[in-house]
Parts: sequence; C-alpha cells; structure tokens
Amino acid sequence: DSGVTQTPKHLITATGQRVTLRCSPRSGDLSVYWYQQSLDQGLQFLIQYYNGEERAKGNILERFSAQQFPDLHSELNLSSLELGDSALYFCASSATYGGGETQYFGPGTRLLVL
Amino acid sequence: QQQVKQSPQSLIVQKGGISIINCAYENTAFDYFPWYQQFPGKGPALLIAIRPDVSEKKEGRFTISFNKSAKQFSLHIMDSQPGDSATYFCAASIGGGGADGLTFGKGTHLIIQP
Repeated sequence: DSGVTQTPKHLITATGQRVTLRCSPRSGDLSVYWYQQSLDQGLQFLIQYYNGEERAKGNILERFSAQQFPDLHSELNLSSLELGDSALYFCASSATYGGGETQYFGPGTRLLVL
Repeated sequence: QQQVKQSPQSLIVQKGGISIINCAYENTAFDYFPWYQQFPGKGPALLIAIRPDVSEKKEGRFTISFNKSAKQFSLHIMDSQPGDSATYFCAASIGGGGADGLTFGKGTHLIIQP
C-alpha cells in the first residue's frame, strides 16, 4: 500500500458527461501528479500540483482540469467525455519536487465511457 | 513522439534466469531514470532508479546499467522468480521527477516460468 488513495475505484459514464476523480496524497506529501494509462498511449503524465499551485503540464487535454485543495487532496475533472477517454487514471504523490523525489502511485480509477 | 523507447514488449524467462529489459531515450536533458513495477490491478511502484553520473546501480537482485553516450539504460533481474512476473516500465524525467512528471516507456510484460 503506497499510502495514496483514489476514489472511486471504477466509474462508468456516457459520452458528453463530466466526472471528477479524487486523490489523497501520502501524509506529508506536497506534490500531486496525475497520469493516464491506456493500451495505445501507455502511461502519460497529465499535470502536477505542488502545495496548491500548478507546477507542470503534460499531455492534458483542454477538456480536462485539475486542482489541489488546501488540505492537499486533488481532483481531476474530465468533461465532454469521449470514448477515447476510457483509461486508468493514476494519481501519484511525492514529498516535494525535483532532486529525484520518488513518486508513489495510488491504485487508480478505471474510467469507462460508453 | 515517443521520447523513451522500451523493448521487448513481452518477455518469458525461466525461473532462476536473468531478465533483461532495455530502454533508449532521446532527450539529453533527462537526468533521472527510474524503473517501475506494476502488478495487475495495482499502481506502478518504484523499483530502482539511477542518475546519469553513475554507470550502474544494484539493489538486491535488480541492477540498472546506464550508458550515457548511447542514451540507453537497462534493467537486469538476476535469479528471476515467479513473483517477479509483472509489467515493468522504464521512465525518465528532467529535474529529478519534480517539475515535469515522468515520461514512461510502453512497458514490458514479464513472465517468469516456474
């Protein structure tokens, strides 16, 4: 158990809908990362937050957004969902940023868009 | 553009044998190279990591070999065991995995036959 929690574990929704995925980092970790894992694209970095502020963006679509709250939990919002958004979404956390900080991954949220 | 290329896609090794997975990168700004292990239904977990100032790092049965001039690095699993059966991902980042998130290879599905 990495100490990172994600809810829900599974999510089934329809095209055009909006969903919110939630992540609680390990106790004391200030950085949160979001990744998408799909069969064709593999594991892709989406976005990083550090202590409430956005620090880096990867391959995140404009339909997707995220935020990190004062209690350090993070939410990933996916809107106008398409079939191709079906994937595993992982949250990871690290103590700070830079310097080879280990990223600890949560168990993921499996999203199925029908 | 795939910045980290991983091979092979799948690998079958007999128990007690050596498993070797290779990765090549393109971006010379990468300065942190971790390997992650993922079991079905779980998030990736850090196995071992290396920085480009050393050519080899060993932790137990796991060794990373790093060739900076060739822009290649590899994971060797000695005395492979059935419990090592998992998907392995190489990754790379700039700034030690902090600011930019991790760029992952496509993964290697490793099966250790008893």
